[in-house]
Amino acid sequence: QVQLQESGPGLVKPSQTLSLTCTVSGGSISSGSYYWSWIRQPAGKGLEWIGRINTSGSTNYNPSLKSRVTISLDTSKNQFSLKLSSVTAADTAVYYCARGSFTCDYWGQGILVTVSS
Amino acid sequence: QSALTQPASVSGSPGQSITISCTGTSSDVGSYNLVSWYQQHPGKAPKLMIYEGSKRPSGVSNRFSGSKSGNTASLTISGLQAEDEADYYCCSYAGSNTFVVFGGGTKVTVL
Repeated sequence: QVQLQESGPGLVKPSQTLSLTCTVSGGSISSGSYYWSWIRQPAGKGLEWIGRINTSGSTNYNPSLKSRVTISLDTSKNQFSLKLSSVTAADTAVYYCARGSFTCDYWGQGILVTVSS
Repeated sequence: QSALTQPASVSGSPGQSITISCTGTSSDVGSYNLVSWYQQHPGKAPKLMIYEGSKRPSGVSNRFSGSKSGNTASLTISGLQAEDEADYYCCSYAGSNTFVVFGGGTKVTVL
């Protein structure tokens, strides 16, 4: 059974860079032709796709966030990561990592990241 | 403003059937049979209920079914049960510029 777990700081100051890691267990992140995605959800609001990376390291990003987002893969640690730069209060949300992109069959539990000074 | 349009809320009595619509454009829902539906209970991660328009993952009740007509996808829940009360989101592939879009979500209430 594949499991995903997000980790990282729960509080980030405005203008700084948000950094999160997703650790995958129960299977190799580099096996199969999967995409691995980051998705976020502000409190009381809907889901927003941030971006994805495949096992070859190829990335695609939400056009509205593209200038600030970097997603990377570390196969040796079975992890993938998110960096979101120049954050503002509008980036406060629960951040999820997931396997897939439009079809996400496994999700992490989510991590709340608050942007505040 | 979400890329895909869903009704804010839908309600039904136990045992009834309800349908949630998800309206997109010819650039997403209308062009690809790659719509998925997610169920989300409060404080929980979304759960995949339907993928590729009408396929059910293993373990998902056959009371959930998906379909598509033109630019609109639909999720039908038959034999509504109390445990179906949750938020539901549609999601679609949207081509090689936008990639993935979500609907704004629909709150399902079991009366």
